[in-house]
Amino acid sequence: GENVEQHPSTLSVQEGDSAVIKCTYSDSASNYFPWYKQELGKRPQLIIDIRSNVGEKKDQRIAVTLNKTAKHFSLHITETQPEDSAVYFCAASRSGTYKYIFGTGTRLKVLA
Amino acid sequence: SAVISQKPSRDICQRGTSLTIQCQVDSQVTMMFWYRQQPGQSLTLIATANQGSEATYESGFVIDKFPISRPNLTFSTLTVSNMSPEDSSIYLCSVEVWQQETQYFGPGTRLLVL
Repeated sequence: GENVEQHPSTLSVQEGDSAVIKCTYSDSASNYFPWYKQELGKRPQLIIDIRSNVGEKKDQRIAVTLNKTAKHFSLHITETQPEDSAVYFCAASRSGTYKYIFGTGTRLKVLA
Repeated sequence: SAVISQKPSRDICQRGTSLTIQCQVDSQVTMMFWYRQQPGQSLTLIATANQGSEATYESGFVIDKFPISRPNLTFSTLTVSNMSPEDSSIYLCSVEVWQQETQYFGPGTRLLVL
């Protein structure tokens, strides 16, 4: 069945450094890729998303890149801050199915 | 986006009992979903709640264990039936706003089964 692999499972960076999280999907028909941030005890919150007709999208310190040929997409966080510490989930879905396949999550720790 | 509430926010239940979780949205939405998130794990889709018809369940989840209702476009319930300690988890509803493809999550219900 379809799946999404996410790496790394944990990531520690110094404050101010960049963090990169990578996901690979198996369903070549996937065309929508959201990223969620989940702080401890909180709900997952959408932070950025990208559709398959776009190769890159930025929102301030956050960017997502998509390589359709290789079937992978990545989250980039620049100038990390302690409040970026959380678990990040990628997901992939195909238009019309409304169904998300989630990655396994990455626990990001930003060290002050 | 949408404002989503869930009740209860947490509960402690005895094995063999059932718990019904409510999900309310402040606007009409096309799709509503129920997920389970076990401690330290990712999100697993239980089912899609269909308005006016039976829910669509994912592999490994059955209606007898997780009956779902969706009487209108803004409300859904998930019942966890005949609970065992393995059902201890966080249960989240999510909604897709009209044709946006983006899902927004409720605050979750933290369930502990003793």
